[in-house]
Amino acid sequence: EIVLTQSPGTLSLSPGERATLSCRASQSVSSTYLAWYQQRPDQAPRLLMYGASNRATGIPDRFSGSGSGTDFTLTISRLEPADFAVYYCQLYGSSPIFTFGPGTKVDIK
Amino acid sequence: QVQLVESGGGLVKPGGSLRLSCAASGFTFSDYYMSWIRQAPGKGLEWVSYISNSGSIIYYADSVKGRFTISRDNAKNSLYLQMNSLRADDTAVYYCARDLGFWGILQYYYYGMDVWGQGTTVTVSS
Repeated sequence: EIVLTQSPGTLSLSPGERATLSCRASQSVSSTYLAWYQQRPDQAPRLLMYGASNRATGIPDRFSGSGSGTDFTLTISRLEPADFAVYYCQLYGSSPIFTFGPGTKVDIK
Repeated sequence: QVQLVESGGGLVKPGGSLRLSCAASGFTFSDYYMSWIRQAPGKGLEWVSYISNSGSIIYYADSVKGRFTISRDNAKNSLYLQMNSLRADDTAVYYCARDLGFWGILQYYYYGMDVWGQGTTVTVSS
C-alpha cells in the first residue's frame, strides 16, 4: 500500500506570498496518477491539478504542479484571499484504488 | 449545469443501515465512472468506493469492504451507496464525485474527480 505524506501540516503566509506544498509517496508512482484538490471551509473539494502538472478546467495559472517519482509539489505563485484553504494530494493506485494525503492547511499569517 | 446532489444521510444506531443516493444532472451520467469519498469530522478525505460507467468494475476501501455496496442506475442518473453494519467510525460527510478516469485498451487514464456534490452527513451513534 502506497502512503502519501504532505508537508508542512500548516503553512502560514500572507496574501501575495508564494506557497509551496509538498506531497511525498512511500514508493515511486506515475505522475500520470497524481492529482491535487483544494477544500475551502464547509465546501466540497475542488479539483486543481491532474497528472501532477495539468491544471483542471477554470483553475488560474497562479497554481502550478510538478514532480515525479516520490516527490510532488503544488505551488501557488501569489496567494489570494480565496486560496487560504486545505490542499490534498491524491493518487490513483492498485490497492486501495485511491489514496489521499492528510492535507496541508494554508492559513493567513 | 453540471451537478451532483447527495441525499439519504442521517442519524443511525451502531449496526444499522442507510442508503445514500447521488442524483446527477447536466451531463451524460452513463459516460462516467463515479466515486464515494467521505470526511470524518475535522479529518481529511477518505476514498470509499468506485464504480465504472457500466457498473462492471467496482472497488472498495478495506475499511468498508463487505459492509458497503455501491451501485448505479444509469436510466435514473443516480449513484447509490448501501451502508450496512454501520460503526461509529463511519460517521462522516459523504460526497459523491464524478471521476474522469477510464480504462483504455492498455492502461487506465486518470484526470481527477472534477465534480463533487455538497455532501450528506451520516452520524452513527447510540
